[in-house]
Amino acid sequence: EVQLVESGGALVKPGGSLRLSCAASGFTFNNVFMIWVRQAPGKGLEWVGHIKRKIDGGKTDYAAPVKGRFTISRDDSKNTVYLQMNSLKTEDTAVYYCSPQGGSGECANWGQGTLVTVSS
Amino acid sequence: EIVLTQSPGTLSLSPGERATLSCRASQNLRNRFLAWYQQRPGQAPRLLIYGTSSRATGIPDRFSGGGSGTDFTLTISRLEPEDFAVYYCQQYDNSPLFTFGPGTKVDIK
Repeated sequence: EVQLVESGGALVKPGGSLRLSCAASGFTFNNVFMIWVRQAPGKGLEWVGHIKRKIDGGKTDYAAPVKGRFTISRDDSKNTVYLQMNSLKTEDTAVYYCSPQGGSGECANWGQGTLVTVSS
Repeated sequence: EIVLTQSPGTLSLSPGERATLSCRASQNLRNRFLAWYQQRPGQAPRLLIYGTSSRATGIPDRFSGGGSGTDFTLTISRLEPEDFAVYYCQQYDNSPLFTFGPGTKVDIK
C-alpha cells in the first residue's frame, strides 16, 4: 500500500524559511518523479514543482510563483522528498501535498498534507 | 502555459442522475495527458482518471473520462451520495509544467 506522510508545516513569519518532508513507502521510490502540490485555504490545487529520478539527473522544475525561492530535493536512501521554502510570503499559506508522478504526469497518490501558515 | 477551464463551476444534481463535467485546454493536448481528481470536504484529493480515459486503481466504473484536442470530459453515470465533491482536471502535456483547472463542485440538488 502506498503511504505518503508529509511533515514540517508550521506558522512562520513573512520572509522566513521552512523545510517540509515527505516520507514515502509502498512503491519503488528511486524509480519515480516526485511532485509537490499546494492548496490555499478554500482554493483550488496548484502545482509547486517536481523532481526527476537520479537516473534522469534529479532535475527539478518549478511553478513561476515559487521559482527561485523553493527548492525540491530527494534522499532515495530514506525514501524522502523535501521542499525547502525560503523568502516565504503570505500567499504561500497552504496545505502542501507530495505525490509520486505517474506515467502520464498524474499525481498518483496523496498523503494528508501539511499546513504552512505565513503570517506576522 | 496551458490554461485549463472547467465548466460548470457548480453542478446541482440528484443521486442517481448523470453528471458531465467539462475541462477545456487553451492549447491542444497532443499526448492526452489529462487527469481528473475528486476532493471531498476536509480530505486530500484522490486520482480518478489519468491519460484522459484510464481509471485509477479502485475507482468504480461509473466514472469515465474522454476527449481529445482541447476538450475533455469526466462523466459520472449515476451519482452516489459519496460522489458529491469537487472535481479538478490537470494536464501534463505541456511538460515540464503542470496546470490544474479551477474545479467543478457537484452538489446535491
